[in-house]
Amino acid sequence: DVKVTQSSRYLVKRTGEKVFLECVQDMDHENMFWYRQDPGLGLRLIYFSYDVKMKEKGDIPEGYSVSREKKERFSLILESASTNQTSMYLCASSSPGRPGYTFGSGTRLTVV
Amino acid sequence: SQQGEEDPQALSIQEGENATMNCSYKTSINNLQWYRQNSGRGLVHLILIRSNEREKHSGRLRVTLDTSKKSSSLLITASRAADTASYFCATNTGNQFYFGTGTSLTVIP
Repeated sequence: DVKVTQSSRYLVKRTGEKVFLECVQDMDHENMFWYRQDPGLGLRLIYFSYDVKMKEKGDIPEGYSVSREKKERFSLILESASTNQTSMYLCASSSPGRPGYTFGSGTRLTVV
Repeated sequence: SQQGEEDPQALSIQEGENATMNCSYKTSINNLQWYRQNSGRGLVHLILIRSNEREKHSGRLRVTLDTSKKSSSLLITASRAADTASYFCATNTGNQFYFGTGTSLTVIP
């Protein structure tokens, strides 16, 4: 069964910490995405990548960075976590010409 | 923002009834997709409709698309308690999708 795996379901971090959210897909997909989901705001795109070592800013990249050293892995980095980054983070992957995204189960991050 | 917008925000129906939710968007699209999200989980792709299609069926799901009105609807027939979830439309304008804020559907047994 093909899937996207996010390393943690729940995470609690302190303000100012550097936080790594990991995402791995086993479908050989070229495209990978990080979204955050907040009540009333829907899904907002943070960063995406169409290839290894390639990254593009989404709609809300401030306070985040990403790394894609291998095709199957896309990491989201919070350089200095803040309370307004408390959210559900969703990773997704896709392949050109195939319908739809495949999503991971999400990481609920709480910054205290 | 190209984000779609679902309507209603919340919907509560009895098991066996049909559920209809709508999506409006702002710009021209290549295709539109519907996703389901169970509480606290990731999104699951349900169905895709291309910009040159007007209607698509998949099991108990029926999707319509009106590009002149920039709107789509998702109909779930003969709803079940297991259909309780949030439903999102996503519009595609290239390699990216733009998601709406979702309709929360509750099916009462």
